[in-house]
Amino acid sequence: NAGVTQTPKFQVLKTGQSMTLQCAQDMNHEYMSWYRQDPGMGLRLIHYSVGAGITDQGEVPNGYNVSRSTTEDFPLRLLSAAPSQTSVYFCASSYRGVDEKLFFGSGTQLSVL
Amino acid sequence: SQKIEQNSEALNIQEGKTATLTCNYTNYSPAYLQWYRQDPGRGPVFLLLIRENEKEKRKERLKVTFDTTLKQSLFHITASQPADSATYLCALGGDYKLSFGAGTTVTVRA
Repeated sequence: NAGVTQTPKFQVLKTGQSMTLQCAQDMNHEYMSWYRQDPGMGLRLIHYSVGAGITDQGEVPNGYNVSRSTTEDFPLRLLSAAPSQTSVYFCASSYRGVDEKLFFGSGTQLSVL
Repeated sequence: SQKIEQNSEALNIQEGKTATLTCNYTNYSPAYLQWYRQDPGRGPVFLLLIRENEKEKRKERLKVTFDTTLKQSLFHITASQPADSATYLCALGGDYKLSFGAGTTVTVRA
């Protein structure tokens, strides 16, 4: 099993560019989520999904879009990148929710110039 | 507003000693609390989950307590080893959202 796979591992964008961070899991998990991690701060929840076709906002959703067309994939879209979105992004999944352990991907380090 | 605070200082301990990490929270009523380990450049890895009706949980050399009256969790690593050096994150869960503290960095000296 690959677990949770995130691509790319590193990305540099210019302000105003758009891009999609990919996240895929092969564990048949219903729950998937995106976090960002900044120095000195905890992981902050951006968006989450409790199943295909269902998404909801987390703590810091502005500037990000998500969709969940399949159980396996949960891409995160930056519509118009800003320097404030420079961060490390983690995707996480679990079988049904946050009352059980989350499996995290290895992260995407994003720099917006 | 909701707040999760972990030991603000990094923890440096001698091999074989017990490391004790603190997680305090305010304006939360979590149904469960989780602890994760994170190594540099890697994603967090789950260690333990404790529910609000549980006082204590153990897994090998790890022990977690959860006091909903004090709004505090303690995380203990007994007989610490250099391989335990990492950042440890506490997380509070409810309503499909898991909120994380900033983490405590532990360094175990041989």
